[in-house]
Amino acid sequence: DAMVIQNPRYQVTQFGKPVTLSCSQTLNHNVMYWYQQKSSQAPKLLFHYYDKDFNNEADTPDNFQSRRPNTSFCFLDIRSPGLGDAAMYLCATSRDGSGMYEQYFGPGTRLTVT
Amino acid sequence: TQLLEQSPQFLSIQEGENLTVYCNSSSVFSSLQWYRQEPGEGPVLLVTVVTGGEVKKLKRLTFQFGDARKDSSLHITAAQPGDTGLYLCAGARGSNYKLTFGKGTLLTVNP
Repeated sequence: DAMVIQNPRYQVTQFGKPVTLSCSQTLNHNVMYWYQQKSSQAPKLLFHYYDKDFNNEADTPDNFQSRRPNTSFCFLDIRSPGLGDAAMYLCATSRDGSGMYEQYFGPGTRLTVT
Repeated sequence: TQLLEQSPQFLSIQEGENLTVYCNSSSVFSSLQWYRQEPGEGPVLLVTVVTGGEVKKLKRLTFQFGDARKDSSLHITAAQPGDTGLYLCAGARGSNYKLTFGKGTLLTVNP
C-alpha cells in the first residue's frame, strides 16, 4: 500500500499560471518535506513542516509556498511558475524522535511549464 | 561546500560485473541512508546504517559504514539491468532530522 502519495503524477502548467501540487501520507509522520529535483541530480530541499511549524530554506524563492492543513496532507503552491521551475517535485516524510532519520518519498510530480 | 562527496557520478557497466559506490565526508554522521531512484519515480530507501563499522547486506547489495561514521560504501555483486538507477547517499548530522544528500551516482547496467 502506498504510504506517501503525490497527485498529480504529471502536471503541465503555463508560464505564470499558479499551480498546486499535493501530498498525503498514511505513516502519521510528524515531519513533511518538499524537494525539487532536476535531471538526475540530488533532491534540493525547498522547505519542511515539523508538525505545524513551517521551515523555509534560505535559498527557496518566494514564488514557492506551502500549506499543511493537517498531519496527513501537505501542499506545494507555485505562485507564478517560470520555465526554470520545470522539475520533479518530491514529497517526503519522516518521524522525528526515531533516531534513524529515515525519509520516505512519494513517487513525485513531474511539472512541465509551457 | 558539498558535505557528502559521492563517487563516481556516472557508471556504465555490463551485466554480471561488480561495482562500488563511495560516499565520503569530513563530517561525522549519526546515520546514513542509501536510496535508489528509478527514472520517473521517487527515491526508495534501501538501508540505514548507524553504527561505525556496520555492514548490512540486501541480496546482492552490501553497505558499509566507516568506523568513524564519516564515509560509506555500496557494493553491488553481479549487477543486473534491474539495478539501473540513481543511487543517493544521505546523512543525518547530530540530532538534525534534515538530510544532507550526495550528488548521486547514475548507474546503467547493460544487458
